[in-house]
Amino acid sequence: EPEVTQTPSHQVTQMGQEVILRCVPISNHLYFYWYRQILGQKVEFLVSFYNNEISEKSEIFDDQFSVERPDGSNFTLKIRSTKLEDSAMYFCASSAVDTQYFGPGTRLTVL
Amino acid sequence: AQSVTQPDIHITVSEGASLELRCNYSYGATPYLFWYVQSPGQGLQLLLKYFSGDTLVQGIKGFEAEFKRSQSSFNLRKPSVHWSDAAEYFCAVVPGYSSASKIIFGSGTRLSIRP
Repeated sequence: EPEVTQTPSHQVTQMGQEVILRCVPISNHLYFYWYRQILGQKVEFLVSFYNNEISEKSEIFDDQFSVERPDGSNFTLKIRSTKLEDSAMYFCASSAVDTQYFGPGTRLTVL
Repeated sequence: AQSVTQPDIHITVSEGASLELRCNYSYGATPYLFWYVQSPGQGLQLLLKYFSGDTLVQGIKGFEAEFKRSQSSFNLRKPSVHWSDAAEYFCAVVPGYSSASKIIFGSGTRLSIRP
């Protein structure tokens, strides 16, 4: 069964550093998403992406964040200058039409 | 504002007992409704979904959920839980559905199973 994959599973970084989280969506899907879950809190929407542009973004998704689909398979989330409060589990999701399927997540720890 | 409420933060049931996890949503129209499960250290797995039609939907792992428009609820049920059902369960809605609409998640209910 096709699935969304994410790398790395765990990333540790120093505050102020740039990080790139990578996702490989399900191959025939056209809609891509990033969500995050701060420890002990609910899953929050960050951004959706379709046809090589952002469809919707939340208030969390400020200028420090960017997304890109650099080739036909990868979908990335970049955080330019990480803050302590960016520590969270980041989930990528993709959908073909109406149901989003989630990857296993990347745990980002900012020290 | 659109919201999803899961009133139970933590529930413990005995193995073999029945289970019902509550979910209420706040939205003007009927949203698209989902239940996801997150096992420790794992991602979010889709259990079931409701878009329209029969208000009782069947999902994977023996779970079912019933949509009740009058109560704005979408409760998850299982007749007999197994120890492997211990996980965090999230109710979720897509309020204004288009193909790129965001999901709004509830705060989750942690399910523990008593041997």
